[in-house]
Amino acid sequence: GAGVSQSPRYKVAKRGQDVALRCDPISGHVSLFWYQQALGQGPEFLTYFQNEAQLDKSGLPSDRFFAERPEGSVSTLKIQRTQQEDSAVYLCASSLVAAGYLYSNQPQHFGDGTRLSIL
Amino acid sequence: SQQGEEDPQALSIQEGENATMNCSYKTSINNLQWYRQNSGRGLVHLILIRSNEREKHSGRLRVTLDTSKKSSSLLITASRAADTASYFCATEDSSYKLIFGSGTRLLVRP
Repeated sequence: GAGVSQSPRYKVAKRGQDVALRCDPISGHVSLFWYQQALGQGPEFLTYFQNEAQLDKSGLPSDRFFAERPEGSVSTLKIQRTQQEDSAVYLCASSLVAAGYLYSNQPQHFGDGTRLSIL
Repeated sequence: SQQGEEDPQALSIQEGENATMNCSYKTSINNLQWYRQNSGRGLVHLILIRSNEREKHSGRLRVTLDTSKKSSSLLITASRAADTASYFCATEDSSYKLIFGSGTRLLVRP
């Protein structure tokens, strides 16, 4: 079956431009996560959706970052007025059940990410 | 901020040898997970060990967890060139966030 799909795979933008990154999770997965991965580092949590509800956006670096999942499936991460420090790989992951419950010992399934370079 | 630290940061071994990676973390956890990441790709889930488990096996993988020391180890036996990748441990606490370490880069020489 299809895994988590992210597009585009690579995005180059000039400083100050807005970008939008798309994530198609595994069909039927309730939970969706966005992570930011700097070069040579582990992923860092950005935000979490349970269906269409954004339950946690505590990891978003600034108010220039905005994420949505309006119908509880596809999600978009938008970065406004990009800056050079936004350059990173943005990973999306989905999980079958709602996280945080007793039965939430579920792995997360990751897409291949979008490599964002800000010039 | 990153929760854990992997040790070593980089490891180079010959094909057929065993590879051991360690992970330390700071807070109480529900489970600890190990992921593999090939260059330019996403993370692939390898194994999950719950906080009440001490050891778990999956194929050539063996994971241990010591909650008193807040540490875990991943052993890959009879390594293959295809095992070359970065390996990350990640902890899940009572929230839903996975907190990743900084990873171990494993090189398996043919």
